[in-house]
Amino acid sequence: DAGVTQSPTHLIKTRGQQVTLRCSPKSGHDTVSWYQQALGQGPQFIFQYYEEEERQRGNFPDRFSGHQFPNYSSELNVNALLLGDSALYLCASSFQQGFGTNTGELFFGEGSRLTVL
Amino acid sequence: AQSVAQPEDQVNVAEGNPLTVKCTYSVSGNPYLFWYVQYPNRGLQFLLKYITGDNLVKGSYGFEAEFNKSQTSFHLKKPSALVSDSALYFCAVRDMNSGYSTLTFGKGTMLLVSP
Repeated sequence: DAGVTQSPTHLIKTRGQQVTLRCSPKSGHDTVSWYQQALGQGPQFIFQYYEEEERQRGNFPDRFSGHQFPNYSSELNVNALLLGDSALYLCASSFQQGFGTNTGELFFGEGSRLTVL
Repeated sequence: AQSVAQPEDQVNVAEGNPLTVKCTYSVSGNPYLFWYVQYPNRGLQFLLKYITGDNLVKGSYGFEAEFNKSQTSFHLKKPSALVSDSALYFCAVRDMNSGYSTLTFGKGTMLLVSP
């Protein structure tokens, strides 16, 4: 049973560039959440995708956008990169957004380490 | 809004001694509470959760946590620490009544277990 997979694992960009990060959820999961973890900080919620739509969003600018595909995989796009965007980007999957009988427990990938120079 | 506080940046304990990592939370409704562990340059691994029922929950690797509603706390504990327990620990909360289904994390506590 494959867990959450993310790619790439590491990447380096320069200010002003754009980046796309990818995530495949755990088998049987249909909801993908993205988190940003800056150095020395806890994960900060960016947004959540379910049924190919953004369902919830944290306090991040519109430069951060995403997409979910019919197979439940997801992309995170960041435009006009800033130095402050350097972080570990974590993808987490769950089932039915955590509603219903689901307790909302998240399963995380290993993350994509983005460095902006 | 939901929030989590982990008051200690770092906890130091000798191998074989009991350990406690503190967490307090704030939600308007009833909480779902979680502990995750992160090893260097890795993602977060689930340790345990409190949903309802017994206030003492047991999880992976011998860890347990005690839910205290009156103190709004969910401290992580282990009777006997191992050097391999050294890692970054995150407490997280979800307000099950809010309609907001994502988890909010604390800033993390680094646990260092010395031989």
